Amino acid sequence: DVKVTQSSRYLVKRTGEKVFLECVQDMDHENMFWYRQDPGLGLRLIYFSYDVKMKEKGDIPEGYSVSREKKERFSLILESASTNQTSMYLCASSTQTSGRDWQFFGPGTRLTVL
Amino acid sequence: DQQVKQNSPSLSVQEGRISILNCDYTNSMFDYFLWYKKYPAEGPTFLISISSIKDKNEDGRFTVFLNKSAKHLSLHIVPSQPGDSAVYFCAASARYSGAGSYQLTFGKGTKLSVIP
Repeated sequence: DVKVTQSSRYLVKRTGEKVFLECVQDMDHENMFWYRQDPGLGLRLIYFSYDVKMKEKGDIPEGYSVSREKKERFSLILESASTNQTSMYLCASSTQTSGRDWQFFGPGTRLTVL
Repeated sequence: DQQVKQNSPSLSVQEGRISILNCDYTNSMFDYFLWYKKYPAEGPTFLISISSIKDKNEDGRFTVFLNKSAKHLSLHIVPSQPGDSAVYFCAASARYSGAGSYQLTFGKGTKLSVIP
């Protein structure tokens, strides 16, 4: 059973702080993704990665960076948090094995930036 | 420009009746479509998918229909149960189109409320 875990369920930070959101998957998946979910806007892709040390920008990468030093771990970094980054952040992973490549999501981190 | 559209933000259905959730797409390269279900404070969970070579896929109470010429898909839930109350996201990818990215494009979601 695939498990995707995120380091925190709820997080409160102050404007200007550096924020790290961690995601770990235990199924040896090649692909990992970071989304944010906002009311009325659905899920928007921030960054994704197909391999260790590899990253690609999604639709809304501004204000974010990522790190993938190990296959199982994908970190999202807010260099200087701002109030408009208050959101639900969702991590997902998937394999490139044909027929089983839908994305599995973690429980989400509700980030509030004051 | 929205490539995957769910035009109904919400839907209310009586328990036992059919729920029909709709999704339209604009990108002709999309060839694989998925539905995810999301409860509050949880991550989305995969529900059902369909490849563009099919026009219907069924899994228990859930059936997805694909009309490629209209670039339209729908999710039918029969019979609807109160536990089905959640936000449903439609997603699409260009899995077989050589993109090789397995990236999903999501709609904005439809909140389904099943009334007991």
